[in-house]
Amino acid sequence: AAGVIQSPRHLIKEKRETATLKCYPIPRHDTVYWYQQGPGQDPQFLISFYEKMQSDKGSIPDRFSAQQFSDYHSELNMSSLELGDSALYFCASSRGGYTNEKLFFGSGTQLSVL
Amino acid sequence: AQKVTQAQTEISVVEKEDVTLDCVYETRDTTYYLFWYKQPPSGELVFLIRRNSFDEQNEISGRYSWNFQKSTSSFNFTITASQVVDSAVYFCALSEDNNDMRFGAGTRLTVKP
Repeated sequence: AAGVIQSPRHLIKEKRETATLKCYPIPRHDTVYWYQQGPGQDPQFLISFYEKMQSDKGSIPDRFSAQQFSDYHSELNMSSLELGDSALYFCASSRGGYTNEKLFFGSGTQLSVL
Repeated sequence: AQKVTQAQTEISVVEKEDVTLDCVYETRDTTYYLFWYKQPPSGELVFLIRRNSFDEQNEISGRYSWNFQKSTSSFNFTITASQVVDSAVYFCALSEDNNDMRFGAGTRLTVKP
């Protein structure tokens, strides 16, 4: 069965650069979530979208923005990258708009900021 | 605010031992959902179970079992006859009526042959 696809798997950037992470949800899933997991940390919720509209916002820095497109894929845009942004970024998808549904996670994008 | 505590940072067992991973949560909502996820060394997060606050029935799935007790706000996870492939970080998570699913800090389980 198709799973959540994230690209790229690995990304290396330098400070102050920008990065774009992409997420393709499971077919017919209308909700996308972004999580950030620092080294040895638990995943932290960043932002979510339901039916192409932002549905909830967590600890996402102002330097980051995200959107969900008409085909339900989502992109996380990160600008003015800092060393502390180095983390594993997960995307998850579900149907129906709430995390009380089972979330299916992608394999993550490992971002390294040098 | 919702909060999840996994007091055990790391656990090490020998293969075939049983092991219980603890999870204690805090919430003011009467409706909430609890989850367990497994994160193997490969890094992905694998869904294991979801339980809503109105269903305290314990669940067994193969070697995995979960004990949900509202009286103690706990949702513990037991692996019976552990195997090396069970080695991973296990996260307990809580979701209320919003999109902010909060994870515990995780418990790193190492199963030695």
